[in-house]
Amino acid sequence: DGGITQSPKYLFRKEGQNVTLSCEQNLNHDAMYWYRQDPGQGLRLIYYSQIVNDFQKGDIAEGYSVSREKKESFPLTVTSAQKNPTAFYLCASSPRTSGGTNTGELFFGEGSRLTVL
Amino acid sequence: RKEVEQDPGPFNVPEGATVAFNCTYSNSASQSFFWYRQDCRKEPKLLMSVYSSGNEDGRFTAQLNRASQYISLLIRDSKLSDSATYLCLHQGTGRRALTFGSGTRLQVQP
Repeated sequence: DGGITQSPKYLFRKEGQNVTLSCEQNLNHDAMYWYRQDPGQGLRLIYYSQIVNDFQKGDIAEGYSVSREKKESFPLTVTSAQKNPTAFYLCASSPRTSGGTNTGELFFGEGSRLTVL
Repeated sequence: RKEVEQDPGPFNVPEGATVAFNCTYSNSASQSFFWYRQDCRKEPKLLMSVYSSGNEDGRFTAQLNRASQYISLLIRDSKLSDSATYLCLHQGTGRRALTFGSGTRLQVQP
């Protein structure tokens, strides 16, 4: 079945370490997104990518980095510069219309829970 | 002002009640709107798209009011299983990112 796979589901990290969260999709979607969610809060946009080899900062990009070398993959690195990295991280993708614009409908992975010890 | 704002709730309603949430947006050129449902510790799932003409899916009705810059979600005959957080999502022009509201928590009680 087509979908989005995030891994790992749970991750523990020591302070000062970088960690990379994987996001893979086989939906043939052009656009991919990373969101962060804190307890009792909504989703905040970290980075997004409309096409391979291109990505844009979202509202809270500081301390994070991404790459988009393949259409299927959009990994997120949480660097040691991120002051409060403990959160629920959600990856999503979005299809395009025949006219080339995003439909706006997001397909989510199951998320990755990062805890910094 | 935030791009998208929602009342966080919680909205505590009895089974069978009708409940409505609003989501206001600041960008008058915003194009697309959606309602998502998120269960505790799970990923959001699309509930319905919001069209200018309004749309209905069973007990759920979504409306867009461009003049007042808000979208609404109406749930009739609430079920216990409707308990969740409801997030609005919008896509503005000039930027292709999709922005969520902070969510409104609904608790339907027996």
